[in-house]
Amino acid sequence: GNSVTQMEGPVTLSEEAFLTINCTYTATGYPSLFWYVQYPGEGLQLLLKATKADDKGSNKGFEATYRKETTSFHLEKGSVQVSDSAVYFCALKALRGGGNKLTFGTGTQLKVEL
Amino acid sequence: DAGVTQSPTHLIKTRGQQVTLRCSPKSGHDTVSWYQQALGQGPQFIFQYYEEEERQRGNFPDRFSGHQFPNYSSELNVNALLLGDSALYLCASRVTGEEYGYTFGSGTRLTVV
Repeated sequence: GNSVTQMEGPVTLSEEAFLTINCTYTATGYPSLFWYVQYPGEGLQLLLKATKADDKGSNKGFEATYRKETTSFHLEKGSVQVSDSAVYFCALKALRGGGNKLTFGTGTQLKVEL
Repeated sequence: DAGVTQSPTHLIKTRGQQVTLRCSPKSGHDTVSWYQQALGQGPQFIFQYYEEEERQRGNFPDRFSGHQFPNYSSELNVNALLLGDSALYLCASRVTGEEYGYTFGSGTRLTVV
């Protein structure tokens, strides 16, 4: 079946540090890939997406590239801010056999300190 | 423009009881999905409704049921509550046919004691 594996957290960084959160997936065919962010007490917000191999999704300084050869979609940001502290979820939507549901990883908590 | 609205925000129930959670989709959205997010875990798909019918279902027992109304709002019902049903329940809506335009609500925190 379809699955998403994320690096475990929490990840603690100093402000302006470089961020990488690893995400790998298993799916039939070529799924669409997403990063969602969840701030405390809130629902999920779409951060970025990529719908085919080699696509790069980007938003608010965050980037992730759809790597078919390594089945990965790692999230990166060059300089994190305290306001980036949240839980980040990698997710996929399979084109075959998954219908319209999203399959999520377990989430990675990011803490950014001054 | 209001996003997805869920009610209540929190509730506490006793084992064996039944609960109903409610969701109003974002304006213009007609497909509603429900997810269960246990503490420290990612959301798990429960089911999806479109045109007042359940269109897809995840690996959840029959104790979990739902309904969609003509105005596209939806309810999630859970019978015979177990301690393990304690979780954040998220509703997501989208326009049918727009594959990536999911909007999530802030969720209902259910605690079963």
